[in-house]
Amino acid sequence: DAGVIQSPRHEVTEMGQEVTLRCKPISGHNSLFWYRQTMMRGLELLIYFNNNVPIDDSGMPEDRFSAKMPNASFSTLKIQPSEPRDSAVYFCASSLGQVNTGELFFGEGSRLTVL
Amino acid sequence: QQQVKQSPQSLIVQKGGISIINCAYENTAFDYFPWYQQFPGKGPALLIAIRPDVSEKKEGRFTISFNKSAKQFSLHIMDSQPGDSATYFCAASMVWNDMRFGAGTRLTVKP
Repeated sequence: DAGVIQSPRHEVTEMGQEVTLRCKPISGHNSLFWYRQTMMRGLELLIYFNNNVPIDDSGMPEDRFSAKMPNASFSTLKIQPSEPRDSAVYFCASSLGQVNTGELFFGEGSRLTVL
Repeated sequence: QQQVKQSPQSLIVQKGGISIINCAYENTAFDYFPWYQQFPGKGPALLIAIRPDVSEKKEGRFTISFNKSAKQFSLHIMDSQPGDSATYFCAASMVWNDMRFGAGTRLTVKP
């Protein structure tokens, strides 16, 4: 299996622009997670989906952030408008079944820089 | 959001030495405690995990020690190698799909 695939790997944009990050989970996995990694805050859970349904989005920083999972093989994380403090590495991860009985498989991340 | 506290932030160990990373958690409902390893430019990957019904789990050179009463757990890397140089994250989860990570420890193993 190709693993979790994220795109783009790197994104540089200007403040105020819309950013869309994409994720393809491992085939057959029914849970998908979006994490943000920064030096200051470490790995933060933003939102997770189970069977394409958002379960908990309490980690989403504010209304500028939104996430969708239109089908089992694709998810997006959108930031509109972007701000410099959104600069971070965004990871998508997927798992089969309950995360506390198995393993989270992470993608290689999307490094976002907002100027 | 951080419910898992990890220390130290960074660690330098000589080749062949023992690396020890500690974590403490607050929520007694957590029932699954994994450790993830992350190399530069890559996503974290599961290294080893433990449940609170055992006090220790060993896989090769990696051992998790778990102290339920103290709400603490630690990762021990025996015979540390330069290839072990990475960032290590402890984590904890409970119920359905609620994984929380520690802040991470950057380990450097000097040859």
